[in-house]
Amino acid sequence: DIQMTQSPASLSASLGETVTIQCQASEDIYSGLAWYQQKPGKSPQLLIYGASSLQDGVPSRFSGSGSGTQYSLKISSMQTEDEGVYFCQQGLKYLTFGSGTKLEIK
Amino acid sequence: EVQLVESGGGLVQPGRSLKLSCAASGFTFSNYYMAWVRQAPKKGLEWVATISTSGSRTYYPDSVKGRFTISRDNAKSSLYLQMNSLKSEDTATYYCARQRLTGVYFDYWGQGVMVTVSS
Repeated sequence: DIQMTQSPASLSASLGETVTIQCQASEDIYSGLAWYQQKPGKSPQLLIYGASSLQDGVPSRFSGSGSGTQYSLKISSMQTEDEGVYFCQQGLKYLTFGSGTKLEIK
Repeated sequence: EVQLVESGGGLVQPGRSLKLSCAASGFTFSNYYMAWVRQAPKKGLEWVATISTSGSRTYYPDSVKGRFTISRDNAKSSLYLQMNSLKSEDTATYYCARQRLTGVYFDYWGQGVMVTVSS
């Protein structure tokens, strides 16, 4: 199985700050990566797919990048509504998710 | 508007069975692969099963293979998950999810249904 390692496990950011979350795959996943946001008590929401494509309706302050085994999600200007848990997911071989990053406002 | 509504959850004893359902609306159900993803309390996400558009192909991780069966009824726009030989570690919120037309990613999720396996 492909293991997905996310970092950090948690972080806090000020309003307007740029936030970066990392995800490392145990083998090359050829950009087959998605990012999801989950707010408390809600189901996950797709933000990014194919490592860097923005899902319809997602604010442009979210962006994804990376290749091979290393990927990142960037929020260019932290907003209150961006609080939540972020998961990465690989879709190359079956499906596995990262353990999540909890993002809070500082 | 795309909607996925799960039902069928509840409290069940270890070793027993339970069947979840997901009613889909707002899109052409038969055109999409569908899946179940679960989340144990305060834990991360775990993929449980995927089914092809016609239902002829199904995929499972080792953790549920042989115990869980995913199926669909395209005429009813419904997805199902039959869970047998349930274990305490199957306790989780189960989400029905639609897979994007391209790539193995989930663009719509249901609200989730809780399954508790306990004696």
